[in-house]
Amino acid sequence: SAVISQKPSRDICQRGTSLTIQCQVDSQVTMMFWYRQQPGQSLTLIATANQGSEATYESGFVIDKFPISRPNLTFSTLTVSNMSPEDSSIYLCSVVTGELPEAFFGQGTRLTVV
Amino acid sequence: GQQLNQSPQSMFIQEGEDVSMNCTSSSIFNTWLWYKQDPGEGPVLLIALYKAGELTSNGRLTAQFGITRKDSFLNISASIPSDVGIYFCAGPNSGNTPLVFGKGTRLSVIA
Repeated sequence: SAVISQKPSRDICQRGTSLTIQCQVDSQVTMMFWYRQQPGQSLTLIATANQGSEATYESGFVIDKFPISRPNLTFSTLTVSNMSPEDSSIYLCSVVTGELPEAFFGQGTRLTVV
Repeated sequence: GQQLNQSPQSMFIQEGEDVSMNCTSSSIFNTWLWYKQDPGEGPVLLIALYKAGELTSNGRLTAQFGITRKDSFLNISASIPSDVGIYFCAGPNSGNTPLVFGKGTRLSVIA
């Protein structure tokens, strides 16, 4: 397993602004992902954060809206850009530490856009 | 992409009762994972299944990987108040990662 720290844990933001969420892992991991969980819903994959290269985005998510960085094997950031109330969700960082697909999650960032 | 259908959506049970929930897919999965999410927290892995027919236990939790590789179930025996939460099934989208999730089963336990 891995210990995953996400910051901030929650925030209330004005529409039109941007928020950067940080994910720090206590050990080097092979894969890092960002998920979105809308209120009362399941988890939807936003993108795979690739170390040293551009993230791989899922259908419906674009780099201009959700830029992602992964400068090394233990850290990644997700930015939610030009926010609107529809972006109000929980954003979750997830990691895979080995060859098995078992993923571990941070505690999430609860974002409210007003 | 692959979709996971989870049922029931929600359950209200008495403390001490057993619980069963299941997950089905339109396509074959090579791995089934069960997670629990408490309010304000990220999902926590409960059980991982890697072989068709596999039956695995973790304390009061038991999960099985269906023979057809298109379904899995999770049982909780003798439920207690701390079992309250949302239970998700999940599996790799393709190859080994990343995971797709079912819609979840919201469990409420009445003392």
